[in-house]
Amino acid sequence: GQNIDQPTEMTATEGAIVQINCTYQTSGFNGLFWYQQHAGEAPTFLSYNVLDGLEEKGRFSSFLSRSKGYSYLLLKELQMKDSASYLCAVLDSNYQLIWGAGTKLIIKP
Amino acid sequence: ETGVTQTPRHLVMGMTNKKSLKCEQHLGHNAMYWYKQSAKKPLELMFVYNFKEQTENNSVPSRFSPECPNSSHLFLHLHTLQPEDSALYLCASSQGLAETYEQYFGPGTRLTVT
Repeated sequence: GQNIDQPTEMTATEGAIVQINCTYQTSGFNGLFWYQQHAGEAPTFLSYNVLDGLEEKGRFSSFLSRSKGYSYLLLKELQMKDSASYLCAVLDSNYQLIWGAGTKLIIKP
Repeated sequence: ETGVTQTPRHLVMGMTNKKSLKCEQHLGHNAMYWYKQSAKKPLELMFVYNFKEQTENNSVPSRFSPECPNSSHLFLHLHTLQPEDSALYLCASSQGLAETYEQYFGPGTRLTVT
């Protein structure tokens, strides 16, 4: 079966750095997405990785290792508004998005 | 605002009711999706439409009936639902169906079945 694993919940301090991990086992791979979802709101696109390595976009960076079936989302200089759920999703060989259950990130002052 | 709107935002219905959820996208996209989001569970893809044609029906019970009259509008007709159908129903759209197009989500309809 296809599976995406990510931690259920993480807590971090304002101003700090946090890394949210995602491991996947899917039938084929055509890219990995990270989405952010604030409580009661729509998921919004953060990043897309299809090649190995680190993609940086402001305070957020996303890393991919295809050989390890592993990705992480790195958030720097955390702000209270970063409190949200972070969803990892993999595009499989049929171009179907397989979603993780999401990681709820709690930022404390 | 992501360019995808959904109505109603909240809906409470009995098991014998019939209701419809509406989604509209103002992005000129060709693909539209219905997802079910339950607490602490992965997003479940329900239906996919590409250029108004249904391309995916992921074993969804027949009490959920989609309709896509054009590329900008998507409906989900509900009838004789069960309490376990209570969830957040999200609509999304993307430029294309396959490849790497990111999806744009609406705010969702919070459905409670009593």
